[in-house]
Amino acid sequence: GNSVTQMEGPVTLSEEAFLTINCTYTATGYPSLFWYVQYPGEGLQLLLKATKADDKGSNKGFEATYRKETTSFHLEKGSVQVSDSAVYFCALSDPGSARQLTFGSGTQLTVLP
Amino acid sequence: EPEVTQTPSHQVTQMGQEVILRCVPISNHLYFYWYRQILGQKVEFLVSFYNNEISEKSEIFDDQFSVERPDGSNFTLKIRSTKLEDSAMYFCASMGSPTNEKLFFGSGTQLSVL
Repeated sequence: GNSVTQMEGPVTLSEEAFLTINCTYTATGYPSLFWYVQYPGEGLQLLLKATKADDKGSNKGFEATYRKETTSFHLEKGSVQVSDSAVYFCALSDPGSARQLTFGSGTQLTVLP
Repeated sequence: EPEVTQTPSHQVTQMGQEVILRCVPISNHLYFYWYRQILGQKVEFLVSFYNNEISEKSEIFDDQFSVERPDGSNFTLKIRSTKLEDSAMYFCASMGSPTNEKLFFGSGTQLSVL
């Protein structure tokens, strides 16, 4: 079955540091890949997505590239801010399965001023 | 941006009791989901719902669970006889179009079974 393996946290960075959160996946077929973010007290929000190999999703300074050869979708940001503190979830969607998402375990990011 | 609303935000219940978790999806959405996250574990898919019937369900979604869209706006998850291991954060989600694959999530209901 499908699975997502995500870098374990928590991750603590200073403001303006470079962020990488690793994500690898196992799936049949050609899934779409997502990063969701959960700010304290809120629901999960879609941060970015990529639907096919070599696509790059980007939003709010975050980027992730769909790498089929390494089955990875690592999240990066060049300069994090305190407001980026949240839990980040990598996920995949198998188009053949009623659009359900398979999530990674989430990575808690704390950015210190 | 439109929101998915879940109530209550916290629910405490005794083992064996029935609970109903409520969700108001975004008004023009047609696809509805429930997920849950046990503390410290992954977010897990429970069930998807479309056109007034279950599209898909996971092995977690056994006979103790049911979903309903009683009035065209609410989308509910019922657990008939709660167990300790049902304690989790339950997230409702909705989606408008399957082509953009964007799920909108509510902020969750924290269920504690004592």
